[in-house]
Amino acid sequence: GAGVSQSPSNKVTEKGKDVELRCDPISGHTALYWYRQSLGQGLEFLIYFQGNSAPDKSGLPSDRFSAERTGGSVSTLTIQRTQQEDSAVYLCASSLGVATNEKLFFGSGTQLSVL
Amino acid sequence: KNQVEQSPQSLIILEGKNCTLQCNYTVSPFSNLRWYKQDTGRGPVSLTIMTFSENTKSNGRYTATLDADTKQSSLHITASQLSDSASYICVVSPAGNMLTFGGGTRLMVKP
Repeated sequence: GAGVSQSPSNKVTEKGKDVELRCDPISGHTALYWYRQSLGQGLEFLIYFQGNSAPDKSGLPSDRFSAERTGGSVSTLTIQRTQQEDSAVYLCASSLGVATNEKLFFGSGTQLSVL
Repeated sequence: KNQVEQSPQSLIILEGKNCTLQCNYTVSPFSNLRWYKQDTGRGPVSLTIMTFSENTKSNGRYTATLDADTKQSSLHITASQLSDSASYICVVSPAGNMLTFGGGTRLMVKP
């Protein structure tokens, strides 16, 4: 596609349920990032994939959060046993590489609401 | 802890007027500074990227300045339009693409 695509755009779930969020990056982009944006807050880094290297998981807030990137393309962010504090917009971004001035392209995000 | 502070938190201006948004950072070492525009319900879109050796960079009616000595940046918007209503986010990178995001300035342009 022309841009980064995320699905679903909105997700409402009950506390304790698992959710999967999907990101389809721009074709050919080797780097993929997940961020979380809570209301009125700056973006919080979650996880970063670059090519075939081991992902940088340093931003994941707990072991309930995990992410995969299959075939160097589509990525799935999974949140297990969701809590109300997980409610936020989850943004995915991709870039062609990791050069210093590499531009990041963001998707429109998934708005997650945990009731 | 690396920090990026933006001011004001919110701003209302009349269409056609100019405005300047501020960003102060404590990130060190410093690699580059970016300004993003985020429309409601959308992801951020890059406006400018500056390295420490660049003092100013323009993108249409948007002009970003950088003073790496005082660790300050500004984003100046000229002749504002209704479509400029958005959040403007300052982002600083200590190295590569590991980014630290400011909380943003919410701009509203009124007719």
